[in-house]
Amino acid sequence: DTEVTQTPKHLVMGMTNKKSLKCEQHMGHRAMYWYKQKAKKPPELMFVYSYEKLSINESVPSRFSPECPNSSLLNLHLHALQPEDSALYLCASSQEKVASAPYNEQFFGPGTRLTVL
Amino acid sequence: TQLLEQSPQFLSIQEGENLTVYCNSSSVFSSLQWYRQEPGEGPVLLVTVVTGGEVKKLKRLTFQFGDARKDSSLHITAAQPGDTGLYLCAGISRGDDRGSTLGRLYFGRGTQLTVWP
Repeated sequence: DTEVTQTPKHLVMGMTNKKSLKCEQHMGHRAMYWYKQKAKKPPELMFVYSYEKLSINESVPSRFSPECPNSSLLNLHLHALQPEDSALYLCASSQEKVASAPYNEQFFGPGTRLTVL
Repeated sequence: TQLLEQSPQFLSIQEGENLTVYCNSSSVFSSLQWYRQEPGEGPVLLVTVVTGGEVKKLKRLTFQFGDARKDSSLHITAAQPGDTGLYLCAGISRGDDRGSTLGRLYFGRGTQLTVWP
């Protein structure tokens, strides 16, 4: 099973709303990622969690707040977003095992299409 | 600075034609992945190449990793409308491969392929 699930599929929110995106994987992967993707562009890395600890924050504005409650779940809390934050938000996971490097491919979820009004 | 240069950016062809997409870099990669993405969906992993000179075939798709592990190509034979999508190359830089596979995945800009019936 190489499935990463994301909810919701679509989200429309106002600039004063608070919402959360959810991601789940049951592949036993210990690294999980959040990406932002604009139309016809490659994904841009936002955050990386390794063994449930935040390892990389690509200078993302504080209105995006990631959380990793356990090894299978990853959340992205959204607050006071701007219209330019509208994008496809992708979650991915990978094994993060040195022994299997460099085959630690990242597997992506279907994404959440976010629209900020 | 784009670590992976992908070309062409757009490709519009007729069903039955052949095509090649290129991914080039001045850096060495531990591995390189090819993804295909449809609008509104997450990237789907097609293949991972690891060994210099490696060639992998997936039905009508042929993937090649350069001998020096700095470049890769994707060749599609007899393209079909179902091949339409955004093709992304992505790699783990050799410079990041310091005993940890925590993935900073470098993406090319993508190739938007349209195959007309």
